[in-house]
Amino acid sequence: GNSVTQMEGPVTLSEEAFLTINCTYTATGYPSLFWYVQYPGEGLQLLLKATKADDKGSNKGFEATYRKETTSFHLEKGSVQVSDSAVYFCALSDPGTGGFKTIFGAGTRLFVKA
Amino acid sequence: DAGVIQSPRHEVTEMGQEVTLRCKPISGHNSLFWYRQTMMRGLELLIYFNNNVPIDDSGMPEDRFSAKMPNASFSTLKIQPSEPRDSAVYFCASSLARTGGYEKLFFGSGTQLSVL
Repeated sequence: GNSVTQMEGPVTLSEEAFLTINCTYTATGYPSLFWYVQYPGEGLQLLLKATKADDKGSNKGFEATYRKETTSFHLEKGSVQVSDSAVYFCALSDPGTGGFKTIFGAGTRLFVKA
Repeated sequence: DAGVIQSPRHEVTEMGQEVTLRCKPISGHNSLFWYRQTMMRGLELLIYFNNNVPIDDSGMPEDRFSAKMPNASFSTLKIQPSEPRDSAVYFCASSLARTGGYEKLFFGSGTQLSVL
């Protein structure tokens, strides 16, 4: 079935370091791909999305490119801040259900040290 | 817009008691989702509705769990009887589903459930 796999955390970085969080997916058809972020005590919120192959989603300095050939959607940021500390979830919309169902990865916790 | 509103924010109950979680989706959204989040299992989709109709409840763990959406502005998730292993954070999310897909999910702040 459809699934999302992302790198295990926690990831600990110093401020201004480069961030990569890997995400790969398995899906039939052509899903949309998302990154959501969850800050402590809050619900998830959309960080960025891409709806077709080679699309690049970007927001707040974060970027991810929809790579159909490698079935990947890795999250990157050139210079992280302490305020980026959160849990990041890769997700896809399940094309088998007409796009109504979102499948999430296990989440990757990021700690950024000052 | 007030966003997705969930209540209560925290719930502590004893094993065997009935628990009801409530959700008010964003006005105009036609899809509603209930998720459960635990350290062990991550984020699990329990059930989702489209236009108030349950579309997929395959994630509901047991018959002890039930969900309703009597109208477009309200949904409940009920656990009866509750058990300690039901302790988790329960999230409600809503979105606007369109042909071929939908816009992003908007999550509520969640209900932290503790069953003693």
